[in-house]
Amino acid sequence: DGGITQSPKYLFRKEGQNVTLSCEQNLNHDAMYWYRQDPGQGLRLIYYSQIVNDFQKGDIAEGYSVSREKKESFPLTVTSAQKNPTAFYLCASSSTGQETQYFGPGTRLLVL
Amino acid sequence: GENVEQHPSTLSVQEGDSAVIKCTYSDSASNYFPWYKQELGKGPQLIIDIRSNVGEKKDQRIAVTLNKTAKHFSLHITETQPEDSAVYFCAATPNQAGTALIFGKGTTLSVSS
Repeated sequence: DGGITQSPKYLFRKEGQNVTLSCEQNLNHDAMYWYRQDPGQGLRLIYYSQIVNDFQKGDIAEGYSVSREKKESFPLTVTSAQKNPTAFYLCASSSTGQETQYFGPGTRLLVL
Repeated sequence: GENVEQHPSTLSVQEGDSAVIKCTYSDSASNYFPWYKQELGKGPQLIIDIRSNVGEKKDQRIAVTLNKTAKHFSLHITETQPEDSAVYFCAATPNQAGTALIFGKGTTLSVSS
């Protein structure tokens, strides 16, 4: 099956801990994105990458970091600098020259 | 930058009625407008989209209309069914590959039987 997978489905973070959320796609898409969703809010852009080894900050990048070493993978690290990390995190991808973005199933991050 | 406003935030209809959700955008350069449906605990799914060279698009019970002059676009769902209950998001973006979407805050649609 082609698609976007995110893992884990639920993730718990302790105070001062960095955690990494996985996003993998087998759609051969060049662009990948990370969004954060809070209750009653739309999706807000954290980081995006249009090509391997390149990425740009979105509107709320502070406290997050990403890497894009492979076309298929775009992991997101929530660092200890992110003071309010509890949210639903969504990864998306799109094909070169196409605006349509397809989303993964999401990871819910909770703070212990 | 782009700003997208979405109304209403909640909408309750009876099964078989129509539902309309409206969005306005601020950046006249935006020319791609997708609508997503999100069920509880899942990622958003694209249900329909429209580009600025088209005024209306239909797909079975779902239609989207776009008014470029007024900078607003709307989602119309006819003959609603309980399985249409979900959160619906509109979004806008300039027509540039790899450009992120700017989302509205969502509309929670409840269809009661």
